[in-house]
Amino acid sequence: DGGITQSPKYLFRKEGQNVTLSCEQNLNHDAMYWYRQDPGQGLRLIYYSQIVNDFQKGDIAEGYSVSREKKESFPLTVTSAQKNPTAFYLCASSIPGDRDNTDTQYFGPGTRLTVL
Amino acid sequence: AQSVTQLGSHVSVSEGALVLLRCNYSSSVPPYLFWYVQYPNQGLQLLLKYTSAATLVKGINGFEAEFKKSETSFHLTKPSAHMSDAAEYFCAAQVYQKVTFGIGTKLQVIP
Repeated sequence: DGGITQSPKYLFRKEGQNVTLSCEQNLNHDAMYWYRQDPGQGLRLIYYSQIVNDFQKGDIAEGYSVSREKKESFPLTVTSAQKNPTAFYLCASSIPGDRDNTDTQYFGPGTRLTVL
Repeated sequence: AQSVTQLGSHVSVSEGALVLLRCNYSSSVPPYLFWYVQYPNQGLQLLLKYTSAATLVKGINGFEAEFKKSETSFHLTKPSAHMSDAAEYFCAAQVYQKVTFGIGTKLQVIP
């Protein structure tokens, strides 16, 4: 059963602590993405990776870091430098330039991070 | 750079009524266009996508969207709303490898 898993579903952390959000996919997709979702702001791209061992900053990368050591995994670390980390975080994957040249993205269920 | 505008952050319809969710895009080249749906506390799932093969695109759950180049629009419709359609809907545009999402429209279905 192919898909994307994100864990945990809910995460609570104290201010000033780094926290790592997990994202795993078994779809054999090359590209993976991290988005942040806030009410009324839609999805904003944090980081993306087109291939293993390579990743690029998205529109709001400050205060976040990622790694892509394996094709299946793309963990996101929310550092203490992120000023307002409380949000819903979504991971996605895709096959860039799929059969129809589109970049249809497949999303995980999300992790809701609350910083106390 | 492309942009996506969804008119109306909240839309309410009665059960059985027409659903119309608006999406306009701005792009220097013809984009691919998508509609995604998000149920509470879940990820997004693809409803339908426009790939230039046909201007009227049919998706899952009875939804369809029509690409109108002259109006730079890709509005989402469904003839008869069902309670299970209550969710948030996102329009997205892809130009080359860059995908841009709209801010979303929350659909409320009133019994």
